[in-house]
Amino acid sequence: GIQVEQSPPDLILQEGANSTLRCNFSDSVNNLQWFHQNPWGQLINLFYIPSGTKQNGRLSATTVATERYSLLYISSSQTTDSGVYFCAASNAGGTSYGKLTFGQGTILTVHP
Amino acid sequence: EAQVTQNPRYLITVTGKKLTVTCSQNMNHEYMSWYRQDPGLGLRQIYYSMNVEVTDKGDVPEGYKVSRKEKRNFPLILESPSPNQTSLYFCASSLSTFVNTEAFFGQGTRLTVV
Repeated sequence: GIQVEQSPPDLILQEGANSTLRCNFSDSVNNLQWFHQNPWGQLINLFYIPSGTKQNGRLSATTVATERYSLLYISSSQTTDSGVYFCAASNAGGTSYGKLTFGQGTILTVHP
Repeated sequence: EAQVTQNPRYLITVTGKKLTVTCSQNMNHEYMSWYRQDPGLGLRQIYYSMNVEVTDKGDVPEGYKVSRKEKRNFPLILESPSPNQTSLYFCASSLSTFVNTEAFFGQGTRLTVV
């Protein structure tokens, strides 16, 4: 099945700093999503981005499907951005049938 | 509001006592699935359903059952829970598996089996 790798595993920032999180995937995808897991464990949808670029406030994401990577940009970080960021992907081929494969996550800590 | 609703959010139970975690979506999605999240192992798919009465095993199905009698509901059943099923569980749904594949997740169910 598809492999998903995220980097860096940990990231510590001061409030106001910018950051870039990376997600590499091993095969063509028909789904690529970014999630934020908050301290209560909830998975919050950030972006559905199998290709192209999207922006939502201070967050933006770009997926270059031909090169099999996606980037999540966080600008002017705030303490509330802290948590774990997951990339997840699926493809329509084989027997995956829509299964999302998650990366191991990036643990982001933003200090005031 | 479009959402996936899981219940309960938290549950502590004893080994062997059957339990059901409910999942319901109001988006008329065809595809639904269950994941569990464990430290060091990440999120792994337990079961999925491509439509009513169509279910299949994911990566870690042992010890679990599911049913899909109605399009909106996809309950997860633990017939005889064991401590190794202590985990954070998520239900997810998407319109389809080929196009409009965006997945929406429930709030999670934190299960402890003692």
